[in-house]
Amino acid sequence: EAQVTQNPRYLITVTGKKLTVTCSQNMNHEYMSWYRQDPGLGLRQIYYSMNVEVTDKGDVPEGYKVSRKEKRNFPLILESPSPNQTSLYFCASSTHRTPNQPQHFGDGTRLSIL
Amino acid sequence: ELKVEQNPLFLSMQEGKNYTIYCNYSTTSDRLYWYRQDPGKSLESLFVLLSNGAVKQEGRLMASLDTKARLSTLHITAAVHDLSATYFCAVDMNPRTGTASKLTFGTGTRLQVTL
Repeated sequence: EAQVTQNPRYLITVTGKKLTVTCSQNMNHEYMSWYRQDPGLGLRQIYYSMNVEVTDKGDVPEGYKVSRKEKRNFPLILESPSPNQTSLYFCASSTHRTPNQPQHFGDGTRLSIL
Repeated sequence: ELKVEQNPLFLSMQEGKNYTIYCNYSTTSDRLYWYRQDPGKSLESLFVLLSNGAVKQEGRLMASLDTKARLSTLHITAAVHDLSATYFCAVDMNPRTGTASKLTFGTGTRLQVTL
């Protein structure tokens, strides 16, 4: 089954403790992206990657890092999490092979930083 | 900076009624997406609109795009309870690339269809 898998689904942690949210897709998609969803703000793009070793900032990249060493994986790293990064995070992917395809979204990761 | 505004933000409607959700955006783009999100769930793609005048229909939902007015609409015909969800439009800021890259989402319209 074609899917985007995020782990963990839920995480409660404390300020300053480094964490990584993993994202993996099994569709051989070139494009991957991270979003955060906050009430009243919709989804905001954090980082995106057009292909392996190619990443770029979205609208709210501060406090986050990403890497794209393999095509299927696009982890989101919070080096020193702070409470304002408490949010619902979504990973998404899509392909270049067929133009203008919509993005496929993972099930989300709910992150609470105390 | 691209701004994407949806209205209304919340819509309560009775089954059987028609209504339209509006999505306005502030800069030139010819690529717009509509998504649906059920409570506690992920986003599901509904429509991809790629040119001025594009119209797509699926069941009771119909989406259209007017790039000159920078406006997309999502029209609901004879609403049913199963359509209750939050609907997002998203505009691609980099239409020259072959796929969606820098998406800017609207804040969403929460639709509640009552019996």
